[in-house]
Amino acid sequence: DGGITQSPKYLFRKEGQNVTLSCEQNLNHDAMYWYRQDPGQGLRLIYYSQIVNDFQKGDIAEGYSVSREKKESFPLTVTSAQKNPTAFYLCASSMGTLQVETQYFGPGTRLLVL
Amino acid sequence: AQTVTQSQPEMSVQEAETVTLSCTYDTSESDYYLFWYKQPPSRQMILVIRQEAYKQQNATENRFSVNFQKAAKSFSLKISDSQLGDAAMYFCAYGASGTYKYIFGTGTRLKVLA
Repeated sequence: DGGITQSPKYLFRKEGQNVTLSCEQNLNHDAMYWYRQDPGQGLRLIYYSQIVNDFQKGDIAEGYSVSREKKESFPLTVTSAQKNPTAFYLCASSMGTLQVETQYFGPGTRLLVL
Repeated sequence: AQTVTQSQPEMSVQEAETVTLSCTYDTSESDYYLFWYKQPPSRQMILVIRQEAYKQQNATENRFSVNFQKAAKSFSLKISDSQLGDAAMYFCAYGASGTYKYIFGTGTRLKVLA
């Protein structure tokens, strides 16, 4: 079955540590996205990628980094510069045809700080 | 800047009854898309319904329908014959044509009472 997988489901970060969240899709989509979800707020865009080896900052990119070396994969690294990383992180993908498209979401990763 | 507002943090509905969730948005664009996503307790975001701004006809998906008022910039979701499985957070989202960015509202939590 086609879909988006995210791992791990829960992730714990120690102070000063970088952690990486995995996102993989087998939908053959060109575009991929990372969102952060905090209680009482909507989803906020961290980074997005329209094509392999290219990505753009979203609204809250500070303290995060991404790579897009393969079409199927779009990992997100939460760096030690992100002072408030506790949140729910959602990865999404869409076809990437430059029209507004339906975004399909993964099951999410819950990041907690120890 | 575009904004999306969901003014009802929480709504309740009796099973089998009808409920309407409100969403308003602000944009100067003429070509855009609007979405309703459902986020159940599993936290997986699921597309409920999508509306293209250039279409005057309101979108419908089984028990879910929208009331799209372009001039008023209003996009409400009506759920008919509510079921226990409809209990979830519902997010309204806006995307301008030619962009990859969605703007999400803060969500409405829907409770379905047996």
